[in-house]
Amino acid sequence: AQSVTQLGSHVSVSEGALVLLRCNYSSSVPPYLFWYVQYPNQGLQLLLKYTSAATLVKGINGFEAEFKKSETSFHLTKPSAHMSDAAEYFCAVSGPDSGNTPLVFGKGTRLSVIA
Amino acid sequence: GAVVSQHPSRVICKSGTSVKIECRSLDFQATTMFWYRQFPKQSLMLMATSNEGSKATYEQGVEKDKFLINHASLTLSTLTVTSAHPEDSSFYICSARVGYTGELFFGEGSRLTVL
Repeated sequence: AQSVTQLGSHVSVSEGALVLLRCNYSSSVPPYLFWYVQYPNQGLQLLLKYTSAATLVKGINGFEAEFKKSETSFHLTKPSAHMSDAAEYFCAVSGPDSGNTPLVFGKGTRLSVIA
Repeated sequence: GAVVSQHPSRVICKSGTSVKIECRSLDFQATTMFWYRQFPKQSLMLMATSNEGSKATYEQGVEKDKFLINHASLTLSTLTVTSAHPEDSSFYICSARVGYTGELFFGEGSRLTVL
């Protein structure tokens, strides 16, 4: 079975400050890991994904995440927060044989950016 | 990225009526689509896996007779909420994969309000 734990349901940062959203996973097989962003009343947009290649993954909008197997973590970071980054962020996991299997999502972290 | 489109984006209906939500893959064929439900300020809950040409696979606790899923073609899956009640009010999101890349592409979501 696979699961994802996102630490902190709400994170608040000042504009220009570092963004760090935490994600830990549990998986019995080598995982594929994803970060999605959701704006109010919209679907989910993929920020970045890890699929067993480079452990440091760069995504859209200046976000990146590092896969650390020893810590079973996949934390999302951005050096400098922008007001437009305020949204809900979801970490998700699936197995490598993932063609017909759904993603398992964390509970989400709401990011607020203060001017 | 691949495009998944949902319609309608918002629907309001009276209690006891049925509502159909369409999910289309616009630029790729999807043999499998996933339907999620999201309550306010909560994560995505997988409802069912929709398979083209066969019966959907429902998650435990999801009433298959209430949430009818039809996947009649490689680009269209529909979710019909039958005899809707106010507790069915929610945000419904569909998703699909392109090949075996692991990532899911999401529709824009459909907000259902049952009066």
